[in-house]
Amino acid sequence: GESVGLHLPTLSVQEGDNSIINCAYSNSASDYFIWYKQESGKGPQFIIDIRSNMDKRQGQRVTVLLNKTVKHLSLQIAATQPGDSAVYFCAETKGAAGNKLTFGGGTRVLVKP
Amino acid sequence: GAVVSQHPSWVICKSGTSVKIECRSLDFQATTMFWYRQFPKQSLMLMATSNEGSKATYEQGVEKDKFLINHASLTLSTLTVTSAHPEDSSFYICSASLAGPVREQYFGPGTRLTVT
Repeated sequence: GESVGLHLPTLSVQEGDNSIINCAYSNSASDYFIWYKQESGKGPQFIIDIRSNMDKRQGQRVTVLLNKTVKHLSLQIAATQPGDSAVYFCAETKGAAGNKLTFGGGTRVLVKP
Repeated sequence: GAVVSQHPSWVICKSGTSVKIECRSLDFQATTMFWYRQFPKQSLMLMATSNEGSKATYEQGVEKDKFLINHASLTLSTLTVTSAHPEDSSFYICSASLAGPVREQYFGPGTRLTVT
């Protein structure tokens, strides 16, 4: 079936540097994408979302970029902090966030002091 | 913001027994709840979609007789793992969908199930 995947399973980043997490999706019908952060032993936490009619959206210290031509999604974290250490998942769906989500494989971000 | 709780947060049970996990939306009415399973160092896999007052829709490969889902009210869904075996040990996460034009989805904190 169609799925969402990630290029890098683990990303080590120095505190204060920027982080970039990538995600490739294959379902061209998906029109809504979400990034989640999951800390150990906890449920996913919403970070930022983007609809297919946009190619960039910014939040606080985070930016999501969407390239529909190559079906690629990325999450940029500015000035990475120790509290950013977690596993990050992208998810895709069609229509709205309340619909079925297909999650990517996840990337672990380790922030080095 | 919308809060989803799960109970218990962790449970250990013996093989052959059944375990019930509750998912509650604390401050909103959820028309739809989802149940996910997550193995260590892996992603979330959707098990089933649960709508209040109707039968759950299971994903391909998920045994409906083994993972019983009940969604009796707009604030409560339960997942019962029947005749549990060690391979059922996993992290089970629920999410709830808020009714409305945006239809946000909020996740619970998860339940760690260990079957001995």
